[in-house]
Amino acid sequence: QVRLQESGPGLVKPSQTLSLTCTVSGDSITSSDFYWSWIRQSPGKGLEWIGYMYSSGNTYYSPSLKSRVSISVDTSKNQFSLELRSVTAADTAVYYCARVYEVWHWFDPWGQGTLVTVSS
Amino acid sequence: NFMLTQPHSVSESPGKTVTISCTGSSGSIASNYVQWYQQRPGSVPITVIYEDIQRPSGVPDRFSGSIDSSSNSASLTISGLKTEDEADYYCQSFDNNNHVIFGGGTKLTVL
Repeated sequence: QVRLQESGPGLVKPSQTLSLTCTVSGDSITSSDFYWSWIRQSPGKGLEWIGYMYSSGNTYYSPSLKSRVSISVDTSKNQFSLELRSVTAADTAVYYCARVYEVWHWFDPWGQGTLVTVSS
Repeated sequence: NFMLTQPHSVSESPGKTVTISCTGSSGSIASNYVQWYQQRPGSVPITVIYEDIQRPSGVPDRFSGSIDSSSNSASLTISGLKTEDEADYYCQSFDNNNHVIFGGGTKLTVL
């Protein structure tokens, strides 16, 4: 059974960098059939795709966040990470990581999510 | 930019059938696969439909998906509504640049 678990600080100051890690168990992050993705959900709002990366290292980012986002992978730890720079209160959200079936762009499974609050 | 538009909310009575639409802003929604996710309050989204019409194991056959090219829309139909179906539902697809798009979500109330 594949499981994903987000980790990282729950509080980030404005203008700083939000950094989260997703640890994958039950599957290899180098699998060629999947992307590895980050999604967020602001309080009371809908789902927003942040970006994903492929096992080859190719990355794809939401156009609205592209200038501030980086997704990277640590194959030795079977983890992938998110960096979001220059955060503001608008970046306060639950951040999810998920595995994405390449063929269908189907997100499954999802991690439990982690709430990140941007506040001084 | 390609967008997916859903009704903000729908409501129906237990035992009835409800359909939630997801309309593409341009191009052909049939060109790229559509998924549907259910999110109950405080919970992680779960898949109810993938690849336009497929149900993951464990999802009851009361849930079905369809594509209508004439209206450039996808639909999620839930029959025999139960109170446990009350949740937010999101459609999701991707564009030709490999960017993922989520619909704005539809709040289903079963009253």
